[in-house]
Amino acid sequence: AQSVTQLDSQVPVFEEAPVELRCNYSSSVSVYLFWYVQYPNQGLQLLLKYLSGSTLVKGINGFEAEFNKSQTSFHLRKPSVHISDTAEYFCAVRPYNQGGKLIFGQGTELSVKP
Amino acid sequence: EAGVTQFPSHSVIEKGQTVTLRCDPISGHDNLYWYRRVMGKEIKFLLHFVKESKQDESGMPNNRFLAERTGGTYSTLKVQPAELEDSGVYFCASSQGQKNIQYFGAGTRLSVL
Repeated sequence: AQSVTQLDSQVPVFEEAPVELRCNYSSSVSVYLFWYVQYPNQGLQLLLKYLSGSTLVKGINGFEAEFNKSQTSFHLRKPSVHISDTAEYFCAVRPYNQGGKLIFGQGTELSVKP
Repeated sequence: EAGVTQFPSHSVIEKGQTVTLRCDPISGHDNLYWYRRVMGKEIKFLLHFVKESKQDESGMPNNRFLAERTGGTYSTLKVQPAELEDSGVYFCASSQGQKNIQYFGAGTRLSVL
């Protein structure tokens, strides 16, 4: 079985400050890793993904994440946030060879203040 | 290219009534997934279609939920009869190809009163 834990349910931060949203997972099989973002009144949008290769992954809107296999983590970072980054962020894993279903964390609400 | 479309965007019904949610995947996507987010909880997998066949329905909560994908195009998710605990946001996603990157719709917010 797999599980995903997003350690912070809410993260308030000031504009232009750096931010890190934490994600840890547990799995008995290898997984692919994803971050999705949901802006207010919109659907889930893929932010970035780790399928293979370099463990540092760059996504849209200046976000990046690093896959750490030994710590089973996939933390999301941005060096300088904007008001428009205010949204809910979801970490998810997809186990190898299990049909493609995603297992999500509980979500982290990022609130960027001026 | 149109994305994943879901409707209605919001549905309010009374306990015991029936509701049908619809999802139109991205054209050409064979994989279609349904997920649900109950308030305050994580988004949970419900089921997976490959074309018109149910590949995995292990996440369906009970037999009040019926999903169909006739002809392998759009899908419907019917809840009959609806209960209070069925309230939440129902997401649909579609994907294609080996990388199987899932693209999500905006969701249907279901409120059962």
